[in-house]
Amino acid sequence: DIQMTQSPSSLSASVGDRVTITCRASQSISSYLNWYQQKPGKAPKLLIYAASSLQSGVPSRFSGSGSGTDFTLIISSLQPEDFATYYCQQSYSTPYSFGQGTKLEIK
Amino acid sequence: QVQLVESGGGVVQPGGSLRLSCAASGFTFSSYGMHWVRQAPGKGLEWVAFIWYDGSNKDYADSVKGRFTISRDNSKNTLYLQMNSLRAEDTAVYYCAKRKTTVVTGIDYYYMDVWGKGTTVTVSS
Repeated sequence: DIQMTQSPSSLSASVGDRVTITCRASQSISSYLNWYQQKPGKAPKLLIYAASSLQSGVPSRFSGSGSGTDFTLIISSLQPEDFATYYCQQSYSTPYSFGQGTKLEIK
Repeated sequence: QVQLVESGGGVVQPGGSLRLSCAASGFTFSSYGMHWVRQAPGKGLEWVAFIWYDGSNKDYADSVKGRFTISRDNSKNTLYLQMNSLRAEDTAVYYCAKRKTTVVTGIDYYYMDVWGKGTTVTVSS
């Protein structure tokens, strides 16, 4: 099974900051990496698929990069609505594992 | 609009059974694979099961294999999760999600593009 590890687990930042979240796979997953945002009490929302493709309707301040085992989600300028928990997920093989999540909090 | 609505959650005793449903609308349900994903209280997301668009293939997380069964009725646009031999650690919000496939530089990539709001399952005596 492929293990997904995110860092950091939590992060404090201010509106306007540039934020980077990383995700590492325990083996190569090519670009089969997706990013989701989840707010408390809500379902996850797709942000990025295929490591770097922006889902329709998602603001361009979100971007993704990486391939193989190392991936990055960048929020270029934090907005108040971006404070949430972020998950990476591999779709290379079953079981389709998620990272443990990164909670982004207001500083 | 594209929508998924889960139902069937509730409180059940350890060892009991429950069947979850996910009603789909706004898209051609029979053309898409579907997932179940769960989230225990205060915890992260855990993939549970996947079924192909026609029901011909199914995959499960090891934690539920042999106890849970994913199925679908394309005539009713509905996805199911039959949960047997329930344990306390199955307590979670259960989400259904639609699988989307997109070709990027000639390669198929898969992701969960639409999610339901979830239904809560509590296993407790």
